[in-house]
Amino acid sequence: EVQLVESGGGLVQPGGSLRLSCAASGFIFSDYAMSWVRQAPGKGLEWISYISSKSSTIYFADSLRGRFTISRDNAKNSLYLQMNSLRADDTAVYYCARSDYGELDPWGQGTLVTVSS
Amino acid sequence: QSVLTQPPSVSGAPGQRVTISCTGSSSNIGAGLDVHWYQQVSGKAPKLLIFRNTNRPSGVPDRFSGSKSGTSASLAISGLQADDEADYYCQSYDTSLGGSVFGGGTKLTVL
Repeated sequence: EVQLVESGGGLVQPGGSLRLSCAASGFIFSDYAMSWVRQAPGKGLEWISYISSKSSTIYFADSLRGRFTISRDNAKNSLYLQMNSLRADDTAVYYCARSDYGELDPWGQGTLVTVSS
Repeated sequence: QSVLTQPPSVSGAPGQRVTISCTGSSSNIGAGLDVHWYQQVSGKAPKLLIFRNTNRPSGVPDRFSGSKSGTSASLAISGLQADDEADYYCQSYDTSLGGSVFGGGTKLTVL
């Protein structure tokens, strides 16, 4: 069964940092691009970033470039999102998803990041 | 303001057919880029419903169908059922932004 499990969310103070992880199983992780998407409470989906299968291509939402970094470790079947200088409006559920010709499937269950003092 | 525009809400009675529109521009849908649709039931992760404009993943009923024309795309749901009640999102790629974009989402209420 194809599965994605995010971890690393939690409560962090404004200005702080957090590293999210996404553990993949049930497919050949190194064959697929991956993406991060977030959803603020009561709001819609916001695409954050994309990384190709071998990390050669990375795309980022303009509003987040510079504060967030995406990476992956194919040997560990894991995807990461390093988030720095966190602000209150970064509070959201963060999802990882497998990217296949543009569509996102499947999605993980999400991990909640709360930025608050 | 989302790059892709969806109606905030639609509704229909059980058994009826509803459509959800997704309007973009010449830098995304109008550029020939694919549109994908997702269903998000309250409190759950999104699920792929339609990929590459018209294709259904295995397990998605044929009551769900997608279409695309010009700078817009549509999701149609026929034979509405109570468990279709969810939020629906369209997604495409935008050449000006250099990344994926989502519509603002449409809440479907089954009356």
